Order: sequence, then C-alpha cells, then structure tokens
Amino acid sequence: GDSVTQMEGPVTLSEEAFLTINCTYTATGYPSLFWYVQYPGEGLQLLLKATKADDKGSNKGFEATYRKETTSFHLEKGSVQVSDSAVYFCALTLLNDYKLSFGAGTTVTVRA
Amino acid sequence: DSGVTQTPKHLITATGQRVTLRCSPRSGDLSVYWYQQSLDQGLQFLIQYYNGEERAKGNILERFSAQQFPDLHSELNLSSLELGDSALYFCASSPGRVIEGSYGYTFGSGTRLTVV
Repeated sequence: GDSVTQMEGPVTLSEEAFLTINCTYTATGYPSLFWYVQYPGEGLQLLLKATKADDKGSNKGFEATYRKETTSFHLEKGSVQVSDSAVYFCALTLLNDYKLSFGAGTTVTVRA
Repeated sequence: DSGVTQTPKHLITATGQRVTLRCSPRSGDLSVYWYQQSLDQGLQFLIQYYNGEERAKGNILERFSAQQFPDLHSELNLSSLELGDSALYFCASSPGRVIEGSYGYTFGSGTRLTVV
C-alpha cells in the first residue's frame, strides 16, 4: 500500500543549526506530498506541499523538493530557531484519494 | 485559529463509559475526517464523511461510530472505553469529496481523551 517513512527522532539541535528530516514514500501512482507541523498542544498545520516531480515547496524558511527518482521529500531548514521545536509529519495523498497517509512524525527540539 | 473547531479539548472518563467528540468543519468544507493519534500508533485514519454520508473507513473499531449532521458538524462516538483508547482525536476538513492535491486538510486542535 501507499506509505511514508520518516527518519526517527528525536532530533535535538542548537539554534542556527541546519535541519534535515528525511522522508521517503511508496505509492502506486503519483502522489501529492506534504509536510505538516504540530506545535506542543496544538493540531497539525500544513507547512508546505508539492504536487508533482521537481516541485519545491517552501514556507517559513523550510524547503522540500519532490524527487521522483529517489521517491523522497526531505525537509530542510538552513538556520533553525527555538520556535521551530515541534513534531514534523510527512504525508502523501494520491490523485482522487480521500485521505492523507502520514509518517510516524519526527520530534525536533531546538536549544538556545 | 484554523477554522475547524473541536470540543471538548480534554476529556477524562472511566473504562466502560461512552463519550461523544464534536467537530465543526471549516466554513465551506463538506468533508470531515477523524484521526486518532497515539504514541505507539501514530496518526491513524478512522473515518471520513462527505456532505452527510460516510465516504471511507479506516482503522476504526466497532465500538466507535461517527456521523455528520445536515449542518455539516460531525460527532465521533466512542463506547465501552478501554485504557488503550486514550489518545488525541483529531478532526480535519477539506472542501470536496476527495483531497485536492494542492490543498490537503485543515486540522482542528484535537480532543485529548484519557480513560482511567
């Protein structure tokens, strides 16, 4: 079935460090890919998205590029802040599908 | 504020009891999705309703049921509760019957259920 695999956490970084969270997917078709972020005590918020190969999603300094050849959608940020501490979820959906399939989530903690 | 409203935010109840979780979707959205988030299972899709009708079922237990009302709000009913049902229950909404690829969901802030 269609699935998403994320790097396991937790990840602990210092402020201004570079962040990468790996995400790979398995899908029968051509999925749309998403990154969601969940701050403590809150629901999930859409961080960025990409709907076709080579698309780059970006938001709040985060970027991810849809790589069809490696079936990946890795999340990156060049200089993290304490406020980026959260759980990050990679997700996919197929064209005309009804649901999002989520990865297990990666907990990121940024220390001052 | 995402526009998706879930109540209550917290719920503590005893084993064997029944509870109802409520969700109001974002204005204009016709689909409502329920997800369960637990530490060991991650985010699990439970069920989707579209414009009042059940559209898809995921890993939803027989003790759980849901419905969507004419005003589009949805309720998730959990009965014969067990300790393992303790989790965060999220509602999400989207405009259409299927997920538009560029849109995804809008999530509520969740209901934290604790079964003691």
